Amino acid sequence: GNSVTQMEGPVTLSEEAFLTINCTYTATGYPSLFWYVQYPGEGLQLLLKATKADDKGSNKGFEATYRKETTSFHLEKGSVQVSDSAVYFCALSVKGATNKLIFGTGTLLAVQP
Amino acid sequence: DAGVIQSPRHEVTEMGQEVTLRCKPISGHDYLFWYRQTMMRGLELLIYFNNNVPIDDSGMPEDRFSAKMPNASFSTLKIQPSEPRDSAVYFCASSRDRGSNQPQHFGDGTRLSIL
Repeated sequence: GNSVTQMEGPVTLSEEAFLTINCTYTATGYPSLFWYVQYPGEGLQLLLKATKADDKGSNKGFEATYRKETTSFHLEKGSVQVSDSAVYFCALSVKGATNKLIFGTGTLLAVQP
Repeated sequence: DAGVIQSPRHEVTEMGQEVTLRCKPISGHDYLFWYRQTMMRGLELLIYFNNNVPIDDSGMPEDRFSAKMPNASFSTLKIQPSEPRDSAVYFCASSRDRGSNQPQHFGDGTRLSIL
């Protein structure tokens, strides 16, 4: 079946630290991969996506590379800010299926000044 | 562009009452999804529609839950009778029907508290 596994949170960092949130997946077919972010009291927002192997998605200083060989899509940012504090969700959807997304459990990031 | 609009933002009601949550998807989007989010269970897909037709309702927890989409611009999720364990944040999301790389756009959710 299809599934997404994310690292457990919370992740607590100081401002300007380097961020990595690990995400691995299992999928039948060729998935598209997504990172969504949820700020307190809001819905999920698309942060970035990648639709095929070796693609790199990027947005707001965040990056993630679609690694087929390791079935991973780790989220990285070189220098986090307090405003990046949120819950981050990794997700996949499988080509040939519907637009249904399979979400990971989410990782809470807390950035301290 | 207007995003996905959900109402109400907050609902507090007593056990046994009927609850109706509303969603207006983004114009032109063919898919509509209802999710439930709790601390214990995370984000759960309840049901989704394509072109107003329910495609998969396997995530609906029990018969007390029902969802409808009478037209392309409106959907409801109803709980009758409500129970305290239904307390959660309910999200609606929509997306275009152009392949699996289309992102879902989420509303801000309805925070439901059943006393």
